[in-house]
Amino acid sequence: DTEVTQTPKHLVMGMTNKKSLKCEQHMGHRAMYWYKQKAKKPPELMFVYSYEKLSINESVPSRFSPECPNSSLLNLHLHALQPEDSALYLCASSQGGTEVDEQFFGPGTRLTVL
Amino acid sequence: GQNIDQPTEMTATEGAIVQINCTYQTSGFNGLFWYQQHAGEAPTFLSYNVLDGLEEKGRFSSFLSRSKGYSYLLLKELQMKDSASYLCAVIDSNYQLIWGAGTKLIIKP
Repeated sequence: DTEVTQTPKHLVMGMTNKKSLKCEQHMGHRAMYWYKQKAKKPPELMFVYSYEKLSINESVPSRFSPECPNSSLLNLHLHALQPEDSALYLCASSQGGTEVDEQFFGPGTRLTVL
Repeated sequence: GQNIDQPTEMTATEGAIVQINCTYQTSGFNGLFWYQQHAGEAPTFLSYNVLDGLEEKGRFSSFLSRSKGYSYLLLKELQMKDSASYLCAVIDSNYQLIWGAGTKLIIKP
């Protein structure tokens, strides 16, 4: 299995809703990432988990809350989002343990906040 | 500051060759990636360069000159499916991936 899966593919939510994005990989990768990507812009790093521990939090608002239940799963919990949070949310994974390795991306969740 | 420059958009003809340039100024350098991203889809890995020179993979090649802070992606025998955005990304001294804004490549018949 050489892919990263993400659910749901599309999500529409109101500003008072609570929802979660899920990401899963079975490649034995030990580093997992959340990115946010707006149209015609490059991905913006949000969080990095390395060996199931949060290693990087790029000053992301607390309405985004990551969780790594185990080495294969990564969640992003959403609460009280704003319309400007509408974007493509990408999960990625890499082998970890070495300083440089390619990241494999999931198909993304297209989030719309009303 | 960290800066990666790529052309915003390029147009090429099916069957031709196109070169997409990337220049970077980053705090340190630990390698450069090229990713392809079709509209509405996730980026997919194309190449990785850490030493100077040319890396060839089928129709795609990537070149790096560390002294010039410069890389290019060369696409040969262009196909319509190559229409996509091409993202240059550099790993800096903190092993953070710094992304360029991407080059939208339009292929015409």
